[in-house]
Amino acid sequence: QKEVEQNSGPLSVPEGAIASLNCTYSDRGSQSFFWYRQYSGKSPELIMFIYSNGDKEDGRFTAQLNKASQYVSLLIRDSQPSDSATYLCAVRGNAGNNRKLIWGLGTSLAVNP
Amino acid sequence: ETGVTQSPTHLIKTRGQQVTLRCSSQSGHNTVSWYQQALGQGPQFIFQYYREEENGRGNFPPRFSGLQFPNYSSELNVNALELDDSALYLCASSLITGELFFGEGSRLTVL
Repeated sequence: QKEVEQNSGPLSVPEGAIASLNCTYSDRGSQSFFWYRQYSGKSPELIMFIYSNGDKEDGRFTAQLNKASQYVSLLIRDSQPSDSATYLCAVRGNAGNNRKLIWGLGTSLAVNP
Repeated sequence: ETGVTQSPTHLIKTRGQQVTLRCSSQSGHNTVSWYQQALGQGPQFIFQYYREEENGRGNFPPRFSGLQFPNYSSELNVNALELDDSALYLCASSLITGELFFGEGSRLTVL
């Protein structure tokens, strides 16, 4: 079982729609959860992080965490063509070498004008 | 702008050669992590340095080594290059438990 799993996509949504990106993780001790966006040929850039169960909103982005289900998601409202990128989910444990981030392979998102 | 800078941005080497990649961390950050990202893959953790000491290592052979300097900048060294080492090498700086901020990466091609 992969430690962090994401649907590779591509996920295609029309401009203005809500894009929903999902991520599951296997380590129940995981404490921190991160969403990064990566444009082709560029390095990842942090969009959001979340530590507590529930929702966290920042502009058009909402991260949702459910530790019982070991599930974290990212919602993008009013999707724009500029949101087209690969979205990487990363999960960090809480101690020792588990402080390293474990990455999913990413979900490719295409927002169509 | 992340404040993390990497050099060189692109380089080409041949099998068996050695390479050194450099990274200057963002001001105030004491932790540097190195990642390898092959085409179409997520970043793979190589190792992390915290206050000049290795503080975690991924599943990479010993020919991947690193250093962190007193100013928290860092180097990644790869000896005896193999074709499969061709990838984007990402450096990220952070506080020890904080989120990572990435540089633009060094794209290595091994021929």
